[in-house]
Amino acid sequence: NAGVTQTPKFRVLKTGQSMTLLCAQDMNHEYMYWYRQDPGMGLRLIHYSVGEGTTAKGEVPDGYNVSRLKKQNFLLGLESAAPSQTSVYFCASSYSGLPQHFGDGTRLSIL
Amino acid sequence: GESVGLHLPTLSVQEGDNSIINCAYSNSASDYFIWYKQESGKGPQFIIDIRSNMDKRQGQRVTVLLNKTVKHLSLQIAATQPGDSAVYFCAGGDNNDMRFGAGTRLTVKP
Repeated sequence: NAGVTQTPKFRVLKTGQSMTLLCAQDMNHEYMYWYRQDPGMGLRLIHYSVGEGTTAKGEVPDGYNVSRLKKQNFLLGLESAAPSQTSVYFCASSYSGLPQHFGDGTRLSIL
Repeated sequence: GESVGLHLPTLSVQEGDNSIINCAYSNSASDYFIWYKQESGKGPQFIIDIRSNMDKRQGQRVTVLLNKTVKHLSLQIAATQPGDSAVYFCAGGDNNDMRFGAGTRLTVKP
């Protein structure tokens, strides 16, 4: 049972490049979340999904897009990366609406 | 929305002692509170949650206390072990709208 798996684990981008972060969960959870974690700050919710085919904005959605085409996958896209998006990104899933199971993060640097 | 904050950025305890990590929140309408543990290079790990209609909840070696009068939440770890060394943070809010504190780094001295 892998839980929540995030790929890639590390990535360096140049300003203006695009990329997609993948989150996969094998627990059949309805709810999935994308957070960013910055030094000295708590996790901040970017987008979330309450089920396949649905997405919603969180606290800091600007500059990001998401898709939930399959129940087990939640994709986070950066269309035009900016240095302010340098962060550690965490995906989480749950059955209840409260984030319970987290992946180990994607460390993203934008130069 | 909710905002949460921890009182101390660091806490050092002796192995075998009890640890108490504190958290304050702002929104009295928050329905859920959660404590997480995060080890270096890893994702947050759910420890225990408590609903706003409760004052206390116990798990294995952990107790969460909720004081709604002063909007304060604490996590007590009994008989702290070296494996408990990590960053602990609280979160408060409602379904799909949880706000997270920045964390307290707990160091356990042998």
